[in-house]
Amino acid sequence: GAGVSQSPSNKVTEKGKDVELRCDPISGHTALYWYRQSLGQGLEFLIYFQGNSAPDKSGLPSDRFSAERTGGSVSTLTIQRTQQEDSAVYLCASSLAPGGLANEQYFGPGTRLTVT
Amino acid sequence: SQQGEEDPQALSIQEGENATMNCSYKTSINNLQWYRQNSGRGLVHLILIRSNEREKHSGRLRVTLDTSKKSSSLLITASRAADTASYFCAAPTGGGNKLTFGTGTQLKVEL
Repeated sequence: GAGVSQSPSNKVTEKGKDVELRCDPISGHTALYWYRQSLGQGLEFLIYFQGNSAPDKSGLPSDRFSAERTGGSVSTLTIQRTQQEDSAVYLCASSLAPGGLANEQYFGPGTRLTVT
Repeated sequence: SQQGEEDPQALSIQEGENATMNCSYKTSINNLQWYRQNSGRGLVHLILIRSNEREKHSGRLRVTLDTSKKSSSLLITASRAADTASYFCAAPTGGGNKLTFGTGTQLKVEL
């Protein structure tokens, strides 16, 4: 079946502009995660959605970052007033269930954001 | 902060040789996972080992877990050029099993 998709694949924006990144998880996956990977760095957790529960926003680096998940499916990550340090690859992942031991996450191809 | 530190940071081997990557982590975990990343984009899940398991195999992959030392290793046997990628260990932390990733090992397999 279809995997996790993300759009756009690449985004170049000017400093100070707002950007929206989109993630379509695998159908039926209840958990959705956003991660960020800066050049040469590991992956950094940003935010996590599970069903109708309040999202875990503990990884968001500043209040310029926000995300929503509509209808328990598609998610949008919004970065306001982008800064150069926001340049990174933003990865979305989904999993069938968040609990228990079966937590295999399926990743999308990512959106490469470049802030000039 | 990183849950896992990986060693080595980079590894270059010849095709056919075995590659071993190590991961150390800080807190108690209920499972540890290994992922592969090609060309700095999406990650692919390779294998998951539970905290009550010591060793697990999947094809040419062998993973070990030592919870007393808080460490894991990934062995790729009979490596191929297509195995060239970055490899990350990751463990679920906090509620909801969000993953905290290690720093990664860049593996290069040369013909």
